[in-house]
Parts: sequence; structure tokens; C-alpha cells
Amino acid sequence: KAGVTQTPRYLIKTRGQQVTLSCSPISGHRSVSWYQQTPGQGLQFLFEYFSETQRNKGNFPGRFSGRQFSNSRSEMNVSTLELGDSALYLCASSLEARGEQYFGPGTRLTVT
Amino acid sequence: GQQVMQIPQYQHVQEGEDFTTYCNSSTTLSNIQWYKQRPGGHPVFLIQLVKSGEVKKQKRLTFQFGEAKKNSSLHITATQTTDVGTYFCAGPEAGGGADGLTFGKGTHLIIQP
Repeated sequence: KAGVTQTPRYLIKTRGQQVTLSCSPISGHRSVSWYQQTPGQGLQFLFEYFSETQRNKGNFPGRFSGRQFSNSRSEMNVSTLELGDSALYLCASSLEARGEQYFGPGTRLTVT
Repeated sequence: GQQVMQIPQYQHVQEGEDFTTYCNSSTTLSNIQWYKQRPGGHPVFLIQLVKSGEVKKQKRLTFQFGEAKKNSSLHITATQTTDVGTYFCAGPEAGGGADGLTFGKGTHLIIQP
């Protein structure tokens, strides 16, 4: 089976812009979760979608949003980018909600 | 909300020595999951423990889940250079909390040949 794919792999944006990241889960996985990884804060949970419904949400401002499509593909959007949003954004899919996570390679976002 | 703590943050060992990382949750967990992230890579799932007091082995790796389902440990016997990376524990809060999967900050294993 193909693994989790994320696009783009690298992104440079300026403050105030918005960005959309995409994730394609492993075939058959209905749960997609998003994480932000930074050296200081580690892996922080953003949100989880299961069958197009947001099941869980982490402690992030409303500028961070996401959605899941009927084919389980997911997108994450960050509006009004801030310098502190620079991070590696990881998507993970699993068979069930909060199950074992299979991570994609991540999108490295740099905000200048 | 739920917090998951891992110690130590960094561990330097000589190749061939043993290594242990400890994971403690502020709340009871449904299960505990362990992941490994190599430098420059993404986290890779290692194992999931579900039962109170459960012990599982994968070659040189031994995983334990505490009786109260609030703590866990990963022990590596006779470390090798291929063991280098960051080891994370993660667990969903028992009872279906809304926080999703909470990860510890990880233990960075550095091996000196």
C-alpha cells in the first residue's frame, strides 16, 4: 500500500498570508490527524477528522482549520500567518479515531 | 487538559549500553503508543499496548504499560547506532476525551560509537 502523502513538502510564506496544506491518507484509512512539530513544543495535536467530521481538536487558535473530503483526503488551512507558525506540519492517518498513526513526510512551512 | 511527560529529554549512551525512557500521563489512558523518529524523518509507529500491566517485546525493545494505565516505559538492550532517534509515547485519554492523541515531547537517544 502507498503511504501517507503530503503536498507541498516545503513552503515559504510571508506574515499575513494564508496557506493550505494537503494530505492523502493510506487507502482504507478514514481518520486523518494533523500535528504541528517544533523543536520547542514537540508534536502538538491540531485536529482529527473521521468520515468528514472533526472528531477532536487541539488547543490552537481559530486561524487553524481543516476539512476532510469524501475520499478521506484532508486539507489544513492557516490564515493570517504569524512568524510562530513556522513548523513542520505532519499529517497522519489511521484506521480508527485516535488509533495507531501512520505519518506522512510532512510539510515544512517557513513564515518570513 | 491531558499532559504526557517523558524523561529524560536527552540520553547519551555508548554503543552496547542499555537505554530506558519513561512516559507519564496526567490522566488514565485507553492505550499507549510508541513512535520513533529518525533525524530528518517523520514519526514511525512502533507498538501499541492496551492492557494494564502489559509487556511486549520487539527484538531488543521491551515496552511496558503500567498497572494504573498512566505510565509506560521503553527499554532498549545493547543499543546499536541504528537506534538513534527520538522516541515518543502517545496516548488517548480513557473515556473518549476530546483532545485527540497527546504526545510526550520525546526522548532523544544519542549513541556514541
